[in-house]
Amino acid sequence: RKEVEQDPGPFNVPEGATVAFNCTYSNSASQSFFWYRQDCRKEPKLLMSVYSSGNEDGRFTAQLNRASQYISLLIRDSKLSDSATYLCVVNSLSMPGGGADGLTFGKGTHLIIQP
Amino acid sequence: DTGVSQDPRHKITKRGQNVTFRCDPISEHNRLYWYRQTLGQGPEFLTYFQNEAQLEKSRLLSDRFSAERPKGSFSTLEIQRTEQGDSAMYLCASSLRGYDGELFFGEGSRLTVL
Repeated sequence: RKEVEQDPGPFNVPEGATVAFNCTYSNSASQSFFWYRQDCRKEPKLLMSVYSSGNEDGRFTAQLNRASQYISLLIRDSKLSDSATYLCVVNSLSMPGGGADGLTFGKGTHLIIQP
Repeated sequence: DTGVSQDPRHKITKRGQNVTFRCDPISEHNRLYWYRQTLGQGPEFLTYFQNEAQLEKSRLLSDRFSAERPKGSFSTLEIQRTEQGDSAMYLCASSLRGYDGELFFGEGSRLTVL
């Protein structure tokens, strides 16, 4: 099982719709979780951290389910500008090779918002 | 521009040549990372520095790859005897120790090995 798994998509969603995607992680000792956004041919940028209690930032809601080892991202009232690849990132300090922060990136989920 | 800058943005080289990439992190950031990303994949960790010390290097990293951060500021990543499989986007990122999880990435250096 891969450390961080995501459905690569693409998810084709009409503008205004709600879309959600999940990410599963294999290391139960993982400590923190993030969603990064990467636009085509651009660098990844932090979208939001994922807290145990769940958190919301405008139209974006992130949830963590430790028992099932997955995190989710929900986008409401999707905009054309939401089209991007969404990278799930997991911090597992006990996992070698992730650098100081033990950050492991998923392959990303490609989202296309259609007018 | 006070973000992470990388140079060159694009490099085309022939197999067997050496290439070097430079990264200038955000000035107050003491951690610097190198990642590699290929099409359809997420960034793959290569190595990182805290100040001038290289503290970890991926087990997947060939010994043809070497990185330095001599004065704890900018960093270079050198690939010797390039192979076609080295073709990728090389991303540099920096962060401030203790600021959990937020890496600031540069726009990357795209390498094409012919």
